[in-house]
Amino acid sequence: GDSVTQMEGPVTLSEEAFLTINCTYTATGYPSLFWYVQYPGEGLQLLLKATKADDKGSNKGFEATYRKETTSFHLEKGSVQVSDSAVYFCALSDDYKLSFGAGTTVTVRA
Amino acid sequence: EAGVTQFPSHSVIEKGQTVTLRCDPISGHDNLYWYRRVMGKEIKFLLHFVKESKQDESGMPNNRFLAERTGGTYSTLKVQPAELEDSGVYFCASSPTTYGYTFGSGTRLTVV
Repeated sequence: GDSVTQMEGPVTLSEEAFLTINCTYTATGYPSLFWYVQYPGEGLQLLLKATKADDKGSNKGFEATYRKETTSFHLEKGSVQVSDSAVYFCALSDDYKLSFGAGTTVTVRA
Repeated sequence: EAGVTQFPSHSVIEKGQTVTLRCDPISGHDNLYWYRRVMGKEIKFLLHFVKESKQDESGMPNNRFLAERTGGTYSTLKVQPAELEDSGVYFCASSPTTYGYTFGSGTRLTVV
């Protein structure tokens, strides 16, 4: 079945540091790929998505590129802020159902 | 527009008791989903409603879990009797089609 493996946390960074969260997937078809974020006390929010190979999703300074050859969708941000502290989930879907990774907790310190 | 509303936000119950979680989807969204995250692990699919019909309940862990969606509006997820391993965060989501999920804030269930 479809599955997602993402970098384990927790990750602690200083403000303005570079953030990378690795995500790889296994799927039989051609899934869409997503990054969701959960800020403290809030629900899951879609951060960005990509629907086909070589697509780049971007939002709020975050980027991820759908790499079919390496089955990866790594999340990056060049300069993080304290407000980026959250749990980040990589996910895939080839129909109505989402398959998530285990989540990576990111803490950004001032 | 109002988002997906879940309540309670937190629930602490004793093993063997019954708990009912509720989800109010965005008005007009025919598709409603339940997911849960147990023990800080991955978020897993539980089931999918289209209007009042269960389209896929392949993720329901066992028969202690019962989901309903009255009249195609709000949904409830009942756990009876609750066990320790049921502790986790239960998320509800809705969508107008099979894409474009909006998630609720989740219900944190603790079984002691």
